[in-house]
Amino acid sequence: DGGITQSPKYLFRKEGQNVTLSCEQNLNHDAMYWYRQDPGQGLRLIYYSQIVNDFQKGDIAEGYSVSREKKESFPLTVTSAQKNPTAFYLCASSRLASDTQYFGPGTRLTVL
Amino acid sequence: AQTVTQSQPEMSVQEAETVTLSCTYDTSENNYYLFWYKQPPSRQMILVIRQEAYKQQNATENRFSVNFQKAAKSFSLKISDSQLGDTAMYFCAFMTDTEKLVFGKGTKLTVNP
Repeated sequence: DGGITQSPKYLFRKEGQNVTLSCEQNLNHDAMYWYRQDPGQGLRLIYYSQIVNDFQKGDIAEGYSVSREKKESFPLTVTSAQKNPTAFYLCASSRLASDTQYFGPGTRLTVL
Repeated sequence: AQTVTQSQPEMSVQEAETVTLSCTYDTSENNYYLFWYKQPPSRQMILVIRQEAYKQQNATENRFSVNFQKAAKSFSLKISDSQLGDTAMYFCAFMTDTEKLVFGKGTKLTVNP
């Protein structure tokens, strides 16, 4: 089956720890994205990548880092510098940068 | 900056009836794309419908259709024959060839039996 997978579904982190959220797609899409969703809010763009080995900051990149070493994978690291990391994180991909984005099932991150 | 406004935080509809969700946007671009996404309680974002600004014909997908008014910068979603499974958050989103996807804050739709 073609699609986007995110793991884990739930993640708990202690303050001061870095954690990495996984996003994998087998749709052969060039572009991948990370969004953050807070209660009562729409999605906000953290980082995006239009091609392997290249990525750009979105609207709320502070405290986050990414890598794009393979076309299928776009992991997001939430660092200890992120002041309020508790949120729902969604990964998406699109064939090209201006195409329709399709989303993974999301990861719920909670800081204890 | 592009903005998307959904003026109805919550709506409800009886099963089998029709409901319309509102969305307005602000842009100076002439070529752009509009989307409606559905987020059910599972929280997976699911594409409902897509509209290209250069197309005058309103997009339809089964029970879902849009009323795209380019001059008014309005993009409403009509759901016909509402079903219990339509209960979800609905997000309107906007994108250009050079700007990334921008989302509204969403409308929570409840379909009552």
